[in-house]
Amino acid sequence: DGGITQSPKYLFRKEGQNVTLSCEQNLNHDAMYWYRQDPGQGLRLIYYSQIVNDFQKGDIAEGYSVSREKKESFPLTVTSAQKNPTAFYLCASTYSNQPQHFGDGTRLSIL
Amino acid sequence: AQSVTQPDIHITVSEGASLELRCNYSYGATPYLFWYVQSPGQGLQLLLKYFSGDTLVQGIKGFEAEFKRSQSSFNLRKPSVHWSDAAEYFCAVAPLGQNFVFGPGTRLSVLP
Repeated sequence: DGGITQSPKYLFRKEGQNVTLSCEQNLNHDAMYWYRQDPGQGLRLIYYSQIVNDFQKGDIAEGYSVSREKKESFPLTVTSAQKNPTAFYLCASTYSNQPQHFGDGTRLSIL
Repeated sequence: AQSVTQPDIHITVSEGASLELRCNYSYGATPYLFWYVQSPGQGLQLLLKYFSGDTLVQGIKGFEAEFKRSQSSFNLRKPSVHWSDAAEYFCAVAPLGQNFVFGPGTRLSVLP
């Protein structure tokens, strides 16, 4: 079955540490997205990529970085510059103007 | 400013009762419209979508939504709610050529 795989499901970060969240899709979608979700809030766009080797900042890109070296992969790094990283992170993909397809998310917490 | 609003943060209904979740958007032209559902700790699952044509769209799990251009609304309905429908519901819009914008969500609780 095609889909989006996010890993790990749970992740813990120490002070001053960078952590990377994985997102892999086998849907052959061109566009991929990273969202942050905080309790009781909607989804906020961190970064998106419409094509390999290109990506754009979303609404809350500060403290995050991404890469898009392969069509199927769009990893997100939460850097030490992100002072409030505790959240639920969702990856999505799509093509054209079709609905976005979501992974099951990664919950990041601070140690 | 362009926005998506879901006026109800939390709704509680009894099992078997009808349900309507509200969604309003503010865009110059009619965007593509979507409803998603999210169970705790999970990703979002698409319930239904509206691109054009018939303003009443049917989705999965017995849900439907009606697009009303005059009210800039896309409300989600279900005639009879089941306990398994308890979840968070998100309305989303996609203006042509632009990224999705999600509403803040409505949490649905279902009483036995």
